[in-house]
Amino acid sequence: DAMVIQNPRYQVTQFGKPVTLSCSQTLNHNVMYWYQQKSSQAPKLLFHYYDKDFNNEADTPDNFQSRRPNTSFCFLDIRSPGLGDAAMYLCATSKYTSWAGTGTDTQYFGPGTRLTVL
Amino acid sequence: EDQVTQSPEALRLQEGESSSLNCSYTVSGLRGLFWYRQDPGKGPEFLFTLYSAGEEKEKERLKATLTKKESFLHITAPKPEDSATYLCAALSGNTPLVFGKGTRLSVIA
Repeated sequence: DAMVIQNPRYQVTQFGKPVTLSCSQTLNHNVMYWYQQKSSQAPKLLFHYYDKDFNNEADTPDNFQSRRPNTSFCFLDIRSPGLGDAAMYLCATSKYTSWAGTGTDTQYFGPGTRLTVL
Repeated sequence: EDQVTQSPEALRLQEGESSSLNCSYTVSGLRGLFWYRQDPGKGPEFLFTLYSAGEEKEKERLKATLTKKESFLHITAPKPEDSATYLCAALSGNTPLVFGKGTRLSVIA
């Protein structure tokens, strides 16, 4: 089945120690997104790639970076994790960003990576 | 500023007790309204997309409807396995998908 895969599912890191989260997709979608979700809160978009074009949200801290080496993979790098960065990180994909009426703007999410910062 | 508000925050139902979840949105030029189901510790699972007022979509015990200001997720005769957080999200123009905080549904046997 076509899907969005995230690894690892659980990640524990120490304060200030860089960490990389991975996302891969077999949907052949053009767009890949990274969201941060804290307990009982809505997912918050960090950035997204449309093919190789990187789009950063204005309020995403510089501590968060992303790479998309090819269509299938996207990585989230947290350069110096703080206690406030502990959260669920969600990767999502869509065929396009906005193509109303065709369903191709629907975002499909992976299972998430739960990040703990000690 | 685009906003999505979901109510209630939490809902507790007896098995078989039908109810509705509300999603109110204020976005300029809605292009799509999405419903997701999220189980604890997992990513959101896509349920429905609605594109225009008056549109309805159904899946098993769930039916989503859309008006010009809000969307409803109707749950008919819910079962305990329907317990989850239901997220609503709106897409408008070139702005990112705007999510509500969700309604946490508990269905008691």
